[in-house]
Amino acid sequence: NAGVTQTPKFQVLKTGQSMTLQCAQDMNHNSMYWYRQDPGMGLRLIYYSASEGTTDKGEVPNGYNVSRLNKREFSLRLESAAPSQTSVYFCASTARSEYMNTEAFFGQGTRLTVV
Amino acid sequence: GENVEQHPSTLSVQEGDSAVIKCTYSDSASNYFPWYKQELGKGPQLIIDIRSNVGEKKDQRIAVTLNKTAKHFSLHITETQPEDSAVYFCAASGRAPGGYNKLIFGAGTRLAVHP
Repeated sequence: NAGVTQTPKFQVLKTGQSMTLQCAQDMNHNSMYWYRQDPGMGLRLIYYSASEGTTDKGEVPNGYNVSRLNKREFSLRLESAAPSQTSVYFCASTARSEYMNTEAFFGQGTRLTVV
Repeated sequence: GENVEQHPSTLSVQEGDSAVIKCTYSDSASNYFPWYKQELGKGPQLIIDIRSNVGEKKDQRIAVTLNKTAKHFSLHITETQPEDSAVYFCAASGRAPGGYNKLIFGAGTRLAVHP
């Protein structure tokens, strides 16, 4: 059982380049999330998808776009990368429950450097 | 907006001692409080969580306490071992419509356990 899989694990971009971070989960979870992690700032939510076909902005959405391709896959796109987007990016997923919050499962992360 | 503060940012203990990490949250509607452990090069992994209808929860050497009135919750690790060395994150979440889990994270605590 792979859980949440992110690709690539490492990436170096030049300012202005674009790229897409891929995320897939095999747990049949309804909700998926993209976070960025910066030193001293914890994890901040960029975008989330409560269910297939829906996406919404989180705390820090500027400079990013997302696509919920199907129930398994949720991608994050940087259209024109900036040095401020240098960070470690994590994808996560949760099962749906009408009654209580459920555990978030995280991928291994993508370390992105923009030069 | 919603905010979670976490202290201390770094914690160094001797093997066998106890470690305590504290968090406060701002949103009184928060009702789910997970704790995540992140080892080097990996994604965060849930170690324990508590819901707002419970004051304390234990799982072997780890325990979490919640004070809803003070909007404060804490992680306690007893008999620490070198393998407990990691970064620990607290988080808080309310019950969002649609069944997703919108976690707000603290900045993290780097715990070092010395043999």
